[in-house]
Formats: sequence, structure tokens, C-alpha cells
Amino acid sequence: AQSVTQPDIHITVSEGASLELRCNYSYGATPYLFWYVQSPGQGLQLLLKYFSGDTLVQGIKGFEAEFKRSQSSFNLRKPSVHWSDAAEYFCAVGAPLFGNEKLTFGTGTRLTIIP
Amino acid sequence: DAGVTQSPTHLIKTRGQQVTLRCSPKSGHDTVSWYQQALGQGPQFIFQYYEEEERQRGNFPDRFSGHQFPNYSSELNVNALLLGDSALYLCASSLRTGRDQETQYFGPGTRLLVL
Repeated sequence: AQSVTQPDIHITVSEGASLELRCNYSYGATPYLFWYVQSPGQGLQLLLKYFSGDTLVQGIKGFEAEFKRSQSSFNLRKPSVHWSDAAEYFCAVGAPLFGNEKLTFGTGTRLTIIP
Repeated sequence: DAGVTQSPTHLIKTRGQQVTLRCSPKSGHDTVSWYQQALGQGPQFIFQYYEEEERQRGNFPDRFSGHQFPNYSSELNVNALLLGDSALYLCASSLRTGRDQETQYFGPGTRLLVL
């Protein structure tokens, strides 16, 4: 069964600073990988996804993520954060061997932005 | 293009009662998945419906049941509510085959409080 670990429960960064959120997964083959963002009291918005091909994927709102098979990681990055980026971020893994099936989520990383 | 919609937005029930939550998928989507997100946790997969049948189920008791209608909308039913059922219930829709089949798009959720 697949699993996802987000080691950082809470991260605080200054506005304008760079950001990296960590995500490690466990799966027997190359998984489908996703990053979602959740604002307080809201649903999940898809930031970006990786299925195959180029290991550096670009998403919305200036985010990017890099798939590293050797490290079983899919870290999310942004070169310069904005106050509106404050939210909860979830990494998720899907299992392509079984097609369009369930997503397994990490426990999330809460991002706080300070002026 | 309407996204995923859910109703109601909030709900308060007492222990032992039954509840029904509703979801309308994104236009053109034929698959609906339900997730439970407890406070401070990542979403947990409950089950997925396609062609009006439950296709996959997570580790949830039989008190959780669902239905998908011919128009692809879906209901989640929870019987004999427990305090621990208090959570945000998220519906996600996707397309079973074709381009972007692997991606699930989430609705805003229904927040259920069991007293």
C-alpha cells in the first residue's frame, strides 16, 4: 500500500523568501504525485501533479515540484512567497497500477507567512 | 464550467442520528470519490463510485454507505453517528478514462458536527 510522509507540521517564512515543503512517498513503482492547497475552512485546490516525463513540474500560483525517484521525494518549491500563500499544503500519492483510484494524503504542512 | 459542488455546507447532528451528504461532480466527470478529513489531519479515502457502483473502499465501517445516480451525482450516508464522525467530508470528481483521468478535483466540503 502506498503512503506519504510530510515531515514538517508547521513552517514559518517571511514574505518574499523562498519556500520548500517536503514530501516523501512509499510505493512499489512510479506513482502519481500531487500537491493540493487548502485555505481555512475550504476544500482542496490542485497546485500541480506528476505522472511521468519531466521530473520538474510547474503548477499554478508560481509553485513547482521536483520528482526524485532515488529519494522517493516530491518536494514543493516557490522562489518568493506572498502573504496569500498562507494555507495548509497536502502531498498525495495515487497508484497508477490500479488506474483512477484512491489518493493517499500526508498529514499536511501548515504554512505561516510573516511580514 | 461548474466545479464540484457539495451540500449542505454545514450540518449539526446528535449521536445515533443518520446524515446524508450530497455531491455534484465537475461537468463532464463520471467518477466520484468521498474523503473524510478530521481536524488537523489529511483527507482519508472512504469510497469511490463509478457507473453507479462502489468500485473501491477505504477502511471505514459499513455505517458509511453511498450511492451514485445516473447523472453522476452522489450521496454519502452515515448511520448511527458517533462523536468521532465529526469532520469535513470532501467529495472529489474525476474522469474514468481519457485525458487527465488521474486527477481528482475537490469540492468545498461539508462540515459535520456530531454532538
